Amino acid sequence: NAGVTQTPKFQVLKTGQSMTLQCAQDMNHNSMYWYRQDPGMGLRLIYYSASEGTTDKGEVPNGYNVSRLNKREFSLRLESAAPSQTSVYFCASSLDLGEKLFFGSGTQLSVL
Amino acid sequence: GESVGLHLPTLSVQEGDNSIINCAYSNSASDYFIWYKQESGKGPQFIIDIRSNMDKRQGQRVTVLLNKTVKHLSLQIAATQPGDSAVYFCAENSGGTSYGKLTFGQGTILTVHP
Repeated sequence: NAGVTQTPKFQVLKTGQSMTLQCAQDMNHNSMYWYRQDPGMGLRLIYYSASEGTTDKGEVPNGYNVSRLNKREFSLRLESAAPSQTSVYFCASSLDLGEKLFFGSGTQLSVL
Repeated sequence: GESVGLHLPTLSVQEGDNSIINCAYSNSASDYFIWYKQESGKGPQFIIDIRSNMDKRQGQRVTVLLNKTVKHLSLQIAATQPGDSAVYFCAENSGGTSYGKLTFGQGTILTVHP
């Protein structure tokens, strides 16, 4: 039972490049989330998906897009990366909205 | 807006001591609270949770206390071990339009000395 799996673990981009962060969970959870973690800022919600087929903005959605591909997978896309998007990104899932979150191991992204 | 905060950013204890990590919250509508542990290079790991209809909940070596009167949450770790060294976050579910979107505190760094 892998839980929440994120890929890649590390990524370096140049300003303006695009990329997609992948996330999959095998716990049959309905809700999935993307957070970013910056020093001194804690965890901030980017986007979430309450259930398959729905997505909503979180606290810091600008510059990102998401896709809930199916119940298991929730991807985060950076269309034109900026240095301000240098951060550690965490995917999480929960049985339903409002329940405790289970996190992946994170993606460390640097935008030069 | 309302947010979750921590009183102490760092806590150093000796192995075997009991640790208490504190968290203040300002949203009286919050009805669900969670403690997470994050080790270096890893994602946050669920420790224990408590709903607002409870004052205390115990797990294995951990206890969470909720004081709704003063909007205070604490995590007690018994017989702290070096493996407990990590950053500890509290999180709250504010309810209302923010339901389901947990708000995280800044974190407390716990260092356990052998």
